[in-house]
Amino acid sequence: DAKTTQPTSMDCAEGRAANLPCNHSTISGNEYVYWYRQIHSQGPQYIIHGLKNNETNEMASLIITEDRKSSTLILPHATLRDTAVYYCIVSYNQGGKLIFGQGTELSVKP
Amino acid sequence: DAGITQSPRHKVTETGTPVTLRCHQTENHRYMYWYRQDPGHGLRLIHYSYGVKDTDKGEVSDGYSVSRSKTEDFLLTLESATSSQTSVYFCAISESGNLGNTEAFFGQGTRLTVV
Repeated sequence: DAKTTQPTSMDCAEGRAANLPCNHSTISGNEYVYWYRQIHSQGPQYIIHGLKNNETNEMASLIITEDRKSSTLILPHATLRDTAVYYCIVSYNQGGKLIFGQGTELSVKP
Repeated sequence: DAGITQSPRHKVTETGTPVTLRCHQTENHRYMYWYRQDPGHGLRLIHYSYGVKDTDKGEVSDGYSVSRSKTEDFLLTLESATSSQTSVYFCAISESGNLGNTEAFFGQGTRLTVV
């Protein structure tokens, strides 16, 4: 599975968009990009995933560059409850090994 | 929320004793995982299962064994607990191994302390 690089921490003002970057320069053609988040000591929560095209759901948007070497998770209107650690994962097969990195600790501030 | 139950939620045990953690699901998902989470290490995969009686090692499998005799239950056993196995353990499930089209659901975790 390809490795990912994320900033260790980020701050975002409440109500503003939070843009979380992820580099995955060694991603292969069959690997998907997944985003999860973990809110203080709870189990991780799935947010969104994509292969090539940009994706949007009720929680977030995922923008994947054309070369697929990086992506950005966008929380359009961050709230205090979005404060969490966000993990970017690339995985060939969701049923196989899902390997987490260190993630980005997002702090949403009033 | 996906039906995943981890038991016990908290446990304190002594060094050298055997410990079994249970993960129970009501979703009939094929894949099940055990992770541990420690400060500074994030989530690390211990073992996973891709079907009844089918398991494989993850990143940090030494000192752990698993069993899956039924679809709904995935057991993690520490044969002889050590203080280095003090951690929070998470179970996860996912529906299938199709190429990247399903997400994993996580349990609430088991906090294990080995003294």
